[in-house]
Order: sequence, then C-alpha cells, then structure tokens
Amino acid sequence: DAGVIQSPRHEVTEMGQEVTLRCKPISGHDYLFWYRQTMMRGLELLIYFNNNVPIDDSGMPEDRFSAKMPNASFSTLKIQPSEPRDSAVYFCASSYVGPNNEQYFGPGTRLTVT
Amino acid sequence: KNEVEQSPQNLTAQEGEFITINCSYSVGISALHWLQQHPGGGIVSLFMLSSGKKKHGRLIATINIQEKHSSLHITASHPRDSAVYICAAGGSRLTFGEGTQLTVNP
Repeated sequence: DAGVIQSPRHEVTEMGQEVTLRCKPISGHDYLFWYRQTMMRGLELLIYFNNNVPIDDSGMPEDRFSAKMPNASFSTLKIQPSEPRDSAVYFCASSYVGPNNEQYFGPGTRLTVT
Repeated sequence: KNEVEQSPQNLTAQEGEFITINCSYSVGISALHWLQQHPGGGIVSLFMLSSGKKKHGRLIATINIQEKHSSLHITASHPRDSAVYICAAGGSRLTFGEGTQLTVNP
C-alpha cells in the first residue's frame, strides 16, 4: 500500500487566497484525521471523520476552515480566506476500526501564507 | 498546566546509552500513543497501549494507568534514533505532548 497520500507537499500563498489541501487515506481505513502542527502549539486535532461523516470538528479554529470527505478515498481541508497565522504543517492520518487504533500519518503539507 | 506533559524537552545521549522519555497526562484515556517524528517531518506511530508494557526491537513502552504516567525507553541508542518523540493521550480525541527532541551522538 502507498500509505496516506497528501498533496501538495508544499504550498505558498498570499493572505486572502483560498487554499485546498488534499488527502487520500489508506484503502480500507474508515477513520480519517486532519492535524495541524505549529512550533507554538505542537500537534492539534482539527477534525476527524468516520465512514466519511465528520464526527468531531471542535478543533477547527474558525469558520475560515472547512473539511469534507465526499468518499472513502478522498478528503479536503480548505482555508478561505487564508491568513499568515495559518502557516503550519497539516497532517492527514487514517486508521482502521477506531480512533484509538494505530494511526498512519501522511507526509504532511507545509503551508506558508505570506 | 498542559493535559499531556513530556520530559525532558531535549535530550542528548551518546550512542549505546539507555534512554527514557516520560509522559504524564491528566485527561481520561482509552489509549496512549507514542509517535516518532523524523528530522524530515514524517510521523510514525511507535506504540499504542492501554495497559502494561509493549516492546518492539530496542524500544519499550510502559504505562501506569493509576499514576497516569507512561515511559518510552530506548536500549542501546543509535544516532538513527535521533528524532522528536511525541506522546499522545485520549479517547476519540487525542491530546499531544510537546515532544522530546532526542539527539544521539556517535
């Protein structure tokens, strides 16, 4: 298996622009997680899905952030409009059976908003 | 006070040394996770445990549920073990520690 795939790996954009991050989980995994990592706050859970349904989005920082999972093999995290404080590494992870099982992380997307 | 605290924040060791990283948590948990983040940024799950002890190669993880404490041990450390080690605790929602930067010198 190719593992969790994220794209793009790097994104540089200007403040105010829309940013879309993409994730393909491992086939057969029914949980998908979006995390954000910054120097100041470390790793934080933004949202997670089970069987394509958002279960907990309490970590989504504000209305500028939205996440979707239209099918079992694809999810997006969108920021609109982006701000410099959104600069971070965004990780997608997936797991089988439940959130308390081992999670497999993608390589991350390094986002820089100027 | 953070809900998940790790110590030390930074650790430098000589190759071959026995290493211990500690994690204390105040959240209720279903499981505790130990993750390794490589210098290139990739994150790998090392262990997930809810009781007792697990071993994988030179790595050992223990947890004491009553004391809300977990330790990650590395025996016969090697420079390739240099990475950030992150503890995460919780149920459906994980709370992460700040990580321990480990450097193993040859």
